[in-house]
Amino acid sequence: AIQMTQSPSSLSASVGDRVTITCRASQGIGNDLGWYQQKPGKAPKLLIYAVSHLEGGVPSRFTGSGSGVDFTLTISSLQPEDFATYYCLQDYSYPWTFGQGTRVEIK
Amino acid sequence: QAQLVQSGGEMKQPGASVTVSCKASGYTFRSYGIAWVRQAPGQGLEWMGWIIGHTGNTNYAPKVQGRVTMTADTSTSTAYMELRNLRFDDTAVYYCARGWGFGDSRFDPWGQGTLVTVSS
Repeated sequence: AIQMTQSPSSLSASVGDRVTITCRASQGIGNDLGWYQQKPGKAPKLLIYAVSHLEGGVPSRFTGSGSGVDFTLTISSLQPEDFATYYCLQDYSYPWTFGQGTRVEIK
Repeated sequence: QAQLVQSGGEMKQPGASVTVSCKASGYTFRSYGIAWVRQAPGQGLEWMGWIIGHTGNTNYAPKVQGRVTMTADTSTSTAYMELRNLRFDDTAVYYCARGWGFGDSRFDPWGQGTLVTVSS
């Protein structure tokens, strides 16, 4: 199974900060990577698919990049509603796997 | 707009079975697939499996293979996930999500989640 290693596992940031979350795959996954945001008690929400494609309705402050094994989610200017847990997901090969999550907290 | 509505919470004893349903609306059900994902209390997301809407073909995670069956009823636009021989560590919120199936990791929307509690 492909392992997805996310870092950091948590971070504290202030409103307006630039935040970067990374996901490293244990082998190449092409462009088959997405990013999801989850708030407590809620279902995950798709932010970005195919590495860098912004889902409709998602603010442009969210960007995704990367290739091969290393991928990044960047929030250019953190907003109060962005405090949540973020997960990467690969569906390149079965079993599909999530990263362990990155909790973004208020500093 | 596309929407997935899941069945209500369940409490089961160890060894029992549970079936969670996921009713789709607002899109052509057979043109997409449904992924099932679960989340144990305080833990991360775990992919359980995937069913293709128009073929019924499935793929399951090794951890639940042999205990899980996913089906799709195109006449009612409803997907089902049956988990058998429940264990305490199956206690989790179970989610369904629509997928495009193109390997682009695009799953949206998600159901609201169904809490399955395994307790004696």
